[in-house]
Amino acid sequence: DFQMTQSPSSLFASVGDTVTITCRASQSVSTSLNWYQQKPGTAPKLLIFTTSTLQRGVPSRFSGSGFGALFTLTISTLQPEDFATYYCQQSYTATPTFGQGTKVQIK
Amino acid sequence: EVELVESGGGLVQPGGSLRLSCGATRFMFSNYWMAWVRQAPGKGLEWVANIKEDGNEKNYVDSVKGRFTISRDNAKNLLLLQMNSLRVEDTAVYYCARESRSQLRSFDHWGQGTLVTVSS
Repeated sequence: DFQMTQSPSSLFASVGDTVTITCRASQSVSTSLNWYQQKPGTAPKLLIFTTSTLQRGVPSRFSGSGFGALFTLTISTLQPEDFATYYCQQSYTATPTFGQGTKVQIK
Repeated sequence: EVELVESGGGLVQPGGSLRLSCGATRFMFSNYWMAWVRQAPGKGLEWVANIKEDGNEKNYVDSVKGRFTISRDNAKNLLLLQMNSLRVEDTAVYYCARESRSQLRSFDHWGQGTLVTVSS
């Protein structure tokens, strides 16, 4: 099984901050790594696919990088609407797996 | 705008069965892989199953193999999930999701979810 581990599990930040979330895979997933944002009571939303490609309509303050087993999601100039939980997900195998989530909270 | 609407959730006893449906509109349903993803209360996301455009290939997470069956009706734009031998640990919101054609097994559109509660 491909395990995905995110760090930190939660963080506190202020509007205007830059936030970085890390995702580690138990084995290489090449560039098959995606990021989602989820707000309470709503479905997840695809932000980034294939490591660094922004989904249509996603603001450019979101960016992704990495390769193999280590990936990052960076949110520059945090906005009030960015406080949410973020999940990474590998799409390398036929049975995709998600990280446990990182909750970004207001400081 | 793509729309996915799930239905069929509810309360069921352990060992019982339930069938979830997902109606798809405003896109060519038969051209996309589709998937079910679930989220237990207060927990993270777990991919459950997916199905190829023509229904001829299906994949499942190990914990539901032999109990859940994913299927689709392309004539009716419907995605289905038959859940048998339900366990307490199957309790979750079940989301229907469309797989992106740019990156298979990434999910670019989601339904609002339907809650399945397995409890005696």
